[in-house]
Amino acid sequence: EQQVQQSPASLVLQEAENAELQCSFSIFTNQVQWFYQRPGGRLVSLLYNPSGTKQSGRLTSTTVIKERRSSLHISSSQITDSGTYLCAMEPHTNKVVFGTGTRLQVLP
Amino acid sequence: EAAVTQSPRNKVAVTGGKVTLSCNQTNNHNNMYWYRQDTGHGLRLIHYSYGAGSTEKGDIPDGYKASRPSQENFSLILELATPSQTSVYFCASGGTGQDTQYFGPGTRLLVL
Repeated sequence: EQQVQQSPASLVLQEAENAELQCSFSIFTNQVQWFYQRPGGRLVSLLYNPSGTKQSGRLTSTTVIKERRSSLHISSSQITDSGTYLCAMEPHTNKVVFGTGTRLQVLP
Repeated sequence: EAAVTQSPRNKVAVTGGKVTLSCNQTNNHNNMYWYRQDTGHGLRLIHYSYGAGSTEKGDIPDGYKASRPSQENFSLILELATPSQTSVYFCASGGTGQDTQYFGPGTRLLVL
């Protein structure tokens, strides 16, 4: 079964601290996406990162295909960053498999 | 920004009843998807579609049917709802890879 594991399951930070979220895959994949979900809300795509390092604002993703993993670094966290971050891979065309997510809480 | 809407947003159904969840997208995407989200399981793919008239089984299709009558609309049908189908259902349109998926706001379904 194709699986995506995420760690940690939950994370609590003080505002301005950095966060590191990890994702590992059961298969080799070069199609990795990170999504964000506000509590009770819809998923929104953050980054598409097939390999290497990609940055968008305070978000930096690093994907290492041969190690079957990807990470998401959030710098200088803000209270509005609170929510769930989901990693997803595409094992084959038109199908996306999601991890169970990391729930992030940023405190003032 | 792609627009994906779902209706109803909340639904209470009785066991054995029929439930239809509707999804509409206005960005002319060929692919549409239905997921359910449960604590501990993340998002799981139920059905998807490549275009009008097509439906494909996802990872957990049992107990669900799908219908894609047009490019814009994709429905999920529970012919005989069961309490185990209590969940939050998300519709998405778009693709994979760089053609990311755009999600609807979700439908909370409670089957009593």
